[in-house]
Amino acid sequence: GAGVSQSPRYKVAKRGQDVALRCDPISGHVSLFWYQQALGQGPEFLTYFQNEAQLDKSGLPSDRFFAERPEGSVSTLKIQRTQQEDSAVYLCASSSPRPVGNEQFFGPGTRLTVL
Amino acid sequence: QQQVKQSPQSLIVQKGGISIINCAYENTAFDYFPWYQQFPGKGPALLIAIRPDVSEKKEGRFTISFNKSAKQFSLHIMDSQPGDSATYFCAASYPGNTPLVFGKGTRLSVIA
Repeated sequence: GAGVSQSPRYKVAKRGQDVALRCDPISGHVSLFWYQQALGQGPEFLTYFQNEAQLDKSGLPSDRFFAERPEGSVSTLKIQRTQQEDSAVYLCASSSPRPVGNEQFFGPGTRLTVL
Repeated sequence: QQQVKQSPQSLIVQKGGISIINCAYENTAFDYFPWYQQFPGKGPALLIAIRPDVSEKKEGRFTISFNKSAKQFSLHIMDSQPGDSATYFCAASYPGNTPLVFGKGTRLSVIA
């Protein structure tokens, strides 16, 4: 089937605007992860879900960041009052109920630019 | 504290040569060690992964060597090709379906 999809692929926001980033995981995948990747750096963990339960949000940089997965499928990462330091690629990954190890499949990412 | 340290930052290899990228980790509770390949504008794609009960794993031209006592693991790309030019990330995770901790990446360029 289809892989992980993310939308929009590119988002330009003015400082102070709110943005919402969407992730459609692979069908049937129980776990969903959000990562932030700054230019030239490795992905860094933000938060993750098992079904609709948010198990860990310790990586969220501030209380302006909020994620949800209300029906255990699609997830939305919301950033309120965006700042320039929020500019990055936001990656979503999902994994199957019985992973081989901890095999995570990544989407193409959403590149957020805050002006 | 950086939990996964990766080196080198960049690497240039001749076509047909061997590319070697190294990673070291801090936490002995990690039990899953994948390598991801990322092309510009794309998400990371899993290349190969290893568990600590195995010292080596080979898939095609890609080999992971794992040294549990030294807390180090490395990726070897045999017969490197220009199409292998990409950024490579090592990672580690705790048991179960848990977040990955990534290294900072190695930009590999394979030149003809």
